[in-house]
Order: sequence, then structure tokens, then C-alpha cells
Amino acid sequence: GDSVTQMEGPVTLSEEAFLTINCTYTATGYPSLFWYVQYPGEGLQLLLKATKADDKGSNKGFEATYRKETTSFHLEKGSVQVSDSAVYFCALRNFGNEKLTFGTGTRLTIIP
Amino acid sequence: KAGVTQTPRYLIKTRGQQVTLSCSPISGHRSVSWYQQTPGQGLQFLFEYFSETQRNKGNFPGRFSGRQFSNSRSEMNVSTLELGDSALYLCASSSRLRTSGDANTGELFFGEGSRLTVL
Repeated sequence: GDSVTQMEGPVTLSEEAFLTINCTYTATGYPSLFWYVQYPGEGLQLLLKATKADDKGSNKGFEATYRKETTSFHLEKGSVQVSDSAVYFCALRNFGNEKLTFGTGTRLTIIP
Repeated sequence: KAGVTQTPRYLIKTRGQQVTLSCSPISGHRSVSWYQQTPGQGLQFLFEYFSETQRNKGNFPGRFSGRQFSNSRSEMNVSTLELGDSALYLCASSSRLRTSGDANTGELFFGEGSRLTVL
């Protein structure tokens, strides 16, 4: 079955540090890949997505590249801010299916 | 455009009771999915409804059920509540156009969730 493995947290960084959160997946078929973010007390918001190999999703300074050969979709940001503190979820969705399979989430805390 | 609305936001029940949660999707969206979020199991897919029909179901016991109305609003019901049902229940809607195959599966928009506590 489909599965997503992402970096265990929590992750604590200083403001302006470089961020990487690793995500790898196992899927039947050719999935679309997503990063969602959850701020305290809120639902999930789509951060970025990629639908085919070598696609790069980007938003708010975050980037992730769909790597089919390594089945990975690592999230990166060059300079994090305190406002980036949240829980980040990597997810996949197979073609023609609304079901999202999520990783366990990585809690990120940025200290000033 | 209004987002996905879930009610109630918080509720407390006791073991053995049942609960009904409601979700109003974004206007024009016909697909509604439900997820359970717990610290131990993370985010798990419950089911998806499209045009009043359940299209996909996760691995949950029959105590968990749902339905969708003609206006695309959806409800989920949990009967005979157990302590382990305490969770944040998230609803998501999408602009999915068709039932399967080469359906255009649009972006999922999530509500803020209904937090259920079972005592």
C-alpha cells in the first residue's frame, strides 16, 4: 500500500537558519506529492505540490522537488522565520483518487 | 468565497454515546473527505463522498459512518463512542469533477476541524 515517511521531529532552529525536512514515499502508480502545514489550533493548509517527476513546487520561500528515482520530496527553505513555526505534513495522492496518505508530521519551532 | 466550515468546533461526549459532525464544503465543491487526526496515529483517511455517494473508505470500524446531502454538505457519525475516538476530525472539500479514472482531482481545502473528547 501507499506510505509516506518523514523526518521525526521536533525540529528547533534559529531564525534565518536553513531548513530541510526529509520525506520519502512508497506508492502504487504515479502519485502527486504535497506538503501541508498546520498552525496551532487550525486545519491543514496546502503549502506546495508537485504532480510529476522533476517538478518543483514552491510557495512562501519553501521548495520541494519531486524525485522519482529516490522517491523523495524533501522540503527546504533558505531562511526560516518565527512565523514558520508549525507542523509540516508530507502527503501523496494517487491519480484519480481523492485520498491523501500523510506522513506523521514534523513539528518545527523557530526561535528568535 | 467562504472556506470549509465544520461544526461543532469542540465537543465532549462520554463512552457509549454517539456523535454527529457536520461539514459544509466550499461552494461548488462536490467532493467531501473526512480525516481523523490523533497524536498516536497521525492523520488517517476515513471516507470520501462525491455526489452523495461514498467513493472511498479507509480502514475504520463500522461505527464510523457518513453521508452527503444533495447540497454537498456532509455529516459523519460515530456510534458507541470509545476513549480512543478522541481526536480532531478534519473535513476537506475539492473540486473533483468526475467519479473515477481520469477524474480531475482538484486541490483539497481543509476546515479547522471538530475536536472530540470522549470521557
